[in-house]
Amino acid sequence: GAVVSQHPSRVICKSGTSVKIECRSLDFQATTMFWYRQFPKQSLMLMATSNEGSKATYEQGVEKDKFLINHASLTLSTLTVTSAHPEDSSFYICSASEGTRRKTDTQYFGPGTRLTVL
Amino acid sequence: GESVGLHLPTLSVQEGDNSIINCAYSNSASDYFIWYKQESGKGPQFIIDIRSNMDKRQGQRVTVLLNKTVKHLSLQIAATQPGDSAVYFCAENTSGGYQKVTFGTGTKLQVIP
Repeated sequence: GAVVSQHPSRVICKSGTSVKIECRSLDFQATTMFWYRQFPKQSLMLMATSNEGSKATYEQGVEKDKFLINHASLTLSTLTVTSAHPEDSSFYICSASEGTRRKTDTQYFGPGTRLTVL
Repeated sequence: GESVGLHLPTLSVQEGDNSIINCAYSNSASDYFIWYKQESGKGPQFIIDIRSNMDKRQGQRVTVLLNKTVKHLSLQIAATQPGDSAVYFCAENTSGGYQKVTFGTGTKLQVIP
């Protein structure tokens, strides 16, 4: 149980194009979803938190107009990287939680999406 | 500012030995900690957690110790196996009563067969 999937697993795009990454909770309803970014050999950095039906809460320094997050249902959240540039190349990881962001709610992580912008 | 960090970037352990991965945190108000395992090219996997009202918690082959006096926690893995090779992150929940996980820098565990 508690499986989170991401699609695509890898994507290569040209600079200036937009890329959409999907995050799905397969066997539970995710009230809260999180998006992280991870550069090679570095830690995960939280980008934003989204609750179903609400606007996402972005972390300081994350451009909300560049990283569009939609959490339209209890099983799906999408991250769209708009006008992608090479510096946006990274490993994007989502996680999902059944709870309403209580501290001890377990986050279940997806397998990640490797984005390469040429 | 708030930070969670690890002492050792890489740890090599002989198969069958015990592994100890250390982590320091700086926010004395942190009261919930989690250890994650991340294999290459995959997302983090929950290992074990501990609340600040505990000093020790055990799971299957893993034990987490928390020392609030020196703001330090460790993950002990008993009888380390090749499948334990991964990067291990400690993380703390930093935002009041809500969930906002801050990850440490990570320690790479290499198990030598």
